[in-house]
Amino acid sequence: DSGVTQTPKHLITATGQRVTLRCSPRSGDLSVYWYQQSLDQGLQFLIQYYNGEERAKGNILERFSAQQFPDLHSELNLSSLELGDSALYFCASSGGGSDTQYFGPGTRLTVL
Amino acid sequence: QKEVEQDPGPLSVPEGAIVSLNCTYSNSAFQYFMWYRQYSRKGPELLMYTYSSGNKEDGRFTAQVDKSSKYISLFIRDSQPSDSATYLCAAHSGNTPLVFGKGTRLSVIA
Repeated sequence: DSGVTQTPKHLITATGQRVTLRCSPRSGDLSVYWYQQSLDQGLQFLIQYYNGEERAKGNILERFSAQQFPDLHSELNLSSLELGDSALYFCASSGGGSDTQYFGPGTRLTVL
Repeated sequence: QKEVEQDPGPLSVPEGAIVSLNCTYSNSAFQYFMWYRQYSRKGPELLMYTYSSGNKEDGRFTAQVDKSSKYISLFIRDSQPSDSATYLCAAHSGNTPLVFGKGTRLSVIA
């Protein structure tokens, strides 16, 4: 158990809908990272937050957004969903003077 | 060219074999190198973490980094069926997001 929690585990929704994925980092970690993993693309970095502020942005679509709250949990919002958004979404956290990232169990999103 | 390249396999070995997994990278700024293990549809689990060049050993696992050739390796000794998983190499330059290889799927046959 990495100490990073993600909810929900599975999400099934329809095209055009909007969903919110939630992540709680390890205790004491200030950084949260979001990744998307699809079969053909591997793990792709989406966005990083550090202590509530956006730190880095990767291949995140404009339909996607994220935020980190004062209690350091983070949410990833996916809107106007398309079939191609079906993937595993992972969050990772790091902190405490180390860059090591620890991953949560992921949320499996299926868009029908 | 992707920043981190990894042969996707699959790689199939008999139990007890020595496994060698490899990646190459192109970004000279990378200083930190990791290997993650991922069981099917689970979260990646950190196996090894190495800074700069050199070797690091942890039990049956040895990670090697050769910055001169931009080559990252993971060796697994006395491989077990429980080692069957996808192995992901990753790198970053410090306080930056990880860049992952696509992963190598390993099967260890009893």
